[in-house]
Amino acid sequence: DIQMTQSPSSLSASVGDRVTITCRASQGISNSLAWYQQKPGKAPKLLLYAASRLESGVPSRFSGSGSGTDYTLTISSLQPEDFATYYCQQYYSTGFTFGPGTKVDIK
Amino acid sequence: QVQLVQSGAEVKKPGASVKVSCKASGYTFTSYGISWVRQAPGQGLEWMGWISAYNGNTNYAQKLQGRVTMTTDTSTSTAYMELRSLRSDDTAVYYCARDQLGYCSGGCAFDIWGQGTMVTVSS
Repeated sequence: DIQMTQSPSSLSASVGDRVTITCRASQGISNSLAWYQQKPGKAPKLLLYAASRLESGVPSRFSGSGSGTDYTLTISSLQPEDFATYYCQQYYSTGFTFGPGTKVDIK
Repeated sequence: QVQLVQSGAEVKKPGASVKVSCKASGYTFTSYGISWVRQAPGQGLEWMGWISAYNGNTNYAQKLQGRVTMTTDTSTSTAYMELRSLRSDDTAVYYCARDQLGYCSGGCAFDIWGQGTMVTVSS
């Protein structure tokens, strides 16, 4: 299976901050990457797919970029409702592995 | 609206089996595949497998091969996940999730998720 790593594992930020989370795959995944947001006790929510395409209804402060093995999720101006854990997932090959998550909390 | 509604929490003893249901509504059930994802307490997300709601084809995670079976009932638009020979490390929240696209055989993002079903394995 393709292994996914994320950095940092956690971060503290303030409302209005720009936040960047990195996801790396153990091999190239041809932009077959999704980002999810999960709040405590809730199911994950799809934010972006195909590395950079915004899911319908997701605020435009979320953006994604990358290629090959390295991808990033950026929140341009952190809002109170954005404090959550973020996961990347590759869907390039079976196993469809998730990254270990990045927890974003309030500074 | 499009939604997936899962069955309620379960408590099982080691060695037993559990079957979780996931009822779809608001869309044509047979047009999208369903994946199952689990999350142990305080841990990350683990993909368990996928089933086509169109023809029942399946694709299971290698580590669960032989212990997991995914099925669908198109008459009730319901997907099922059965896990056998339960162990304590199977304790987790189990989610069903819909393929974002109708033709990706599990190889796409998951756009609709069920609310999750807590399965506790304890003697």
